[in-house]
Amino acid sequence: DAGVIQSPRHEVTEMGQEVTLRCKPISGHNSLFWYRQTMMRGLELLIYFNNNVPIDDSGMPEDRFSAKMPNASFSTLKIQPSEPRDSAVYFCASTEGGNEQFFGPGTRLTVL
Amino acid sequence: QKEVEQNSGPLSVPEGAIASLNCTYSDRVSQSFFWYRQYSGKSPELIMSIYSNGDKEDGRFTAQLNKASQYVSLLIRDSQPSDSATYLCAVYSGGSNYKLTFGKGTLLTVNP
Repeated sequence: DAGVIQSPRHEVTEMGQEVTLRCKPISGHNSLFWYRQTMMRGLELLIYFNNNVPIDDSGMPEDRFSAKMPNASFSTLKIQPSEPRDSAVYFCASTEGGNEQFFGPGTRLTVL
Repeated sequence: QKEVEQNSGPLSVPEGAIASLNCTYSDRVSQSFFWYRQYSGKSPELIMSIYSNGDKEDGRFTAQLNKASQYVSLLIRDSQPSDSATYLCAVYSGGSNYKLTFGKGTLLTVNP
């Protein structure tokens, strides 16, 4: 069975550009989480969805960040406009009504 | 604010030794506890979960939980160079949102 799928795996963009990260959770999982990981701050929860509904977006750093989950099999995290300090690895994780979260391979974002 | 603390390391052990990784948490009502392993450049991988006081063994890995002391640990017996990674402690504090709080991780190096 396929795990969590994320795309792109690597993204290099220039400051001011729009960035869209994509995630497909494990089939049947009803909760989805977006994390950001940096050396300085570790793994930070940005937002999570339960049954496609955003439950807590208190971790979203600024209005430049937005996330959607239009259906049970797809979610996006958008940064507009992007800034160099947004450079990080962004992970998506999902769970099936439990606590054990399974992570995707991540998207390494570099904003020049 | 819920906090999960880990010694950042690096923790260096010789091959064949026991590696001991520790984690403390601040929220007394925490219910579920997880250890994730993260190889450099990869995503976190769930390796152990523990829900009640005591020990839980899975192969060379043993998780230990002491809720009274708000302490959870991971022991790796017969450490192998392939165990070299960052180990993340994660805690679930209840509720229907399945949100985890992660520590910043301990870097383990197993020397051949």
